[in-house]
Amino acid sequence: GNSVTQMEGPVTLSEEAFLTINCTYTATGYPSLFWYVQYPGEGLQLLLKATKADDKGSNKGFEATYRKETTSFHLEKGSVQVSDSAVYFCALSDRGGSQGNLIFGKGTKLSVKP
Amino acid sequence: DVKVTQSSRYLVKRTGEKVFLECVQDMDHENMFWYRQDPGLGLRLIYFSYDVKMKEKGDIPEGYSVSREKKERFSLILESASTNQTSMYLCASSPSGGNRAYEQYFGPGTRLTVT
Repeated sequence: GNSVTQMEGPVTLSEEAFLTINCTYTATGYPSLFWYVQYPGEGLQLLLKATKADDKGSNKGFEATYRKETTSFHLEKGSVQVSDSAVYFCALSDRGGSQGNLIFGKGTKLSVKP
Repeated sequence: DVKVTQSSRYLVKRTGEKVFLECVQDMDHENMFWYRQDPGLGLRLIYFSYDVKMKEKGDIPEGYSVSREKKERFSLILESASTNQTSMYLCASSPSGGNRAYEQYFGPGTRLTVT
């Protein structure tokens, strides 16, 4: 079945460091890919998405490119801030199920130190 | 802005009690979801609904039931709470149709402790 694998955390970086959180997926067909973020004490919110191969999703300085050849959707940011400290979830659309279903990775916790 | 609200942020219940978790969304979304979130396990889907009075089991429905009598409200019921149901419960909603169906909006979560 479809699945998502993310790098395990926690990831600890200094402010202004470069961030990469790896995400790979297994899926049949052509799923859409997503990154969600969960700030402390809150629910998840959509950060960015890509709906087809070679698409780049971007938002708030974060970006990720849908790579079909490597089945990856790595999240990157050039210069992280303390306010980026959160848990990041990679997800893919589960077209095998009813509409709207997502399959989530286990999440990667990011801590940014000043 | 889409708003998804959950009835409680924190809840403490005793083993064997019947527990109701309520979720309300204000954007006329067709799809609604209940997840539980546990450290090291990520999000696991309990139940979802794509229309009023419709429900489908997710990955871990055992010990839970749901109710969707109105479009905006989706309730999760723990028939007889057990300590292994101590968790963070997240509700989400999304519109139907095309790729927007996968843009889920989440509530803030209910942290349930069963003692």
